[in-house]
Amino acid sequence: GAVVSQHPSRVICKSGTSVKIECRSLDFQATTMFWYRQFPKKSLMLMATSNEGSKATYEQGVEKDKFLINHASLTLSTLTVTSAHPEDSSFYICSAVTSSLTEQYFGPGTRLTVT
Amino acid sequence: SQKIEQNSEALNIQEGKTATLTCNYTNYSPAYLQWYRQDPGRGPVFLLLIRENEKEKRKERLKVTFDTTLKQSLFHITASQPADSATYLCALPISGSARQLTFGSGTQLTVLP
Repeated sequence: GAVVSQHPSRVICKSGTSVKIECRSLDFQATTMFWYRQFPKKSLMLMATSNEGSKATYEQGVEKDKFLINHASLTLSTLTVTSAHPEDSSFYICSAVTSSLTEQYFGPGTRLTVT
Repeated sequence: SQKIEQNSEALNIQEGKTATLTCNYTNYSPAYLQWYRQDPGRGPVFLLLIRENEKEKRKERLKVTFDTTLKQSLFHITASQPADSATYLCALPISGSARQLTFGSGTQLTVLP
């Protein structure tokens, strides 16, 4: 149980284009989903918290107009990197929690490369 | 602001020995602490949660201790195996939040056959 999927697992895009990453909880309803960014050999950096049906809460320094988050249902959250630049290249990971548990269930991650 | 430190970036041990990883934190009194395992190119996987009123928790070959006076958690893997090789992350709830976590930078464990 508690499986989270992410799609795509790997994406290469040209500078200036937008990329959408999907995060799905497959066998449970996720009241809250989180989006992280991770640089090589570094820890996870929380970007935003997404609650179903409401606007995402962004961490300090994260541009909400650049990283658009939509949490339309209890099983799906999307992160859209708009007008991507090479410095946006990173490993993006989502996680989900249920209403009753505090541990987070992570997706497998999406490797974004902007050329 | 709260700070988490994991004592070493990398730890090599011989198969069969006990691996001990350390997580220290400052400026904070968390209600719980979590440990995750992350393999290269993958998302973290939850291992254990220990609450502030618990001194020790075990799960199979894993043992976690939580010393709120020292502000430290120790993570032990007994009878280690090469398959235990991975990066281990400790995580604390962000102050004022019940759900958001802040992660340590991780310790990369290598179990040598």
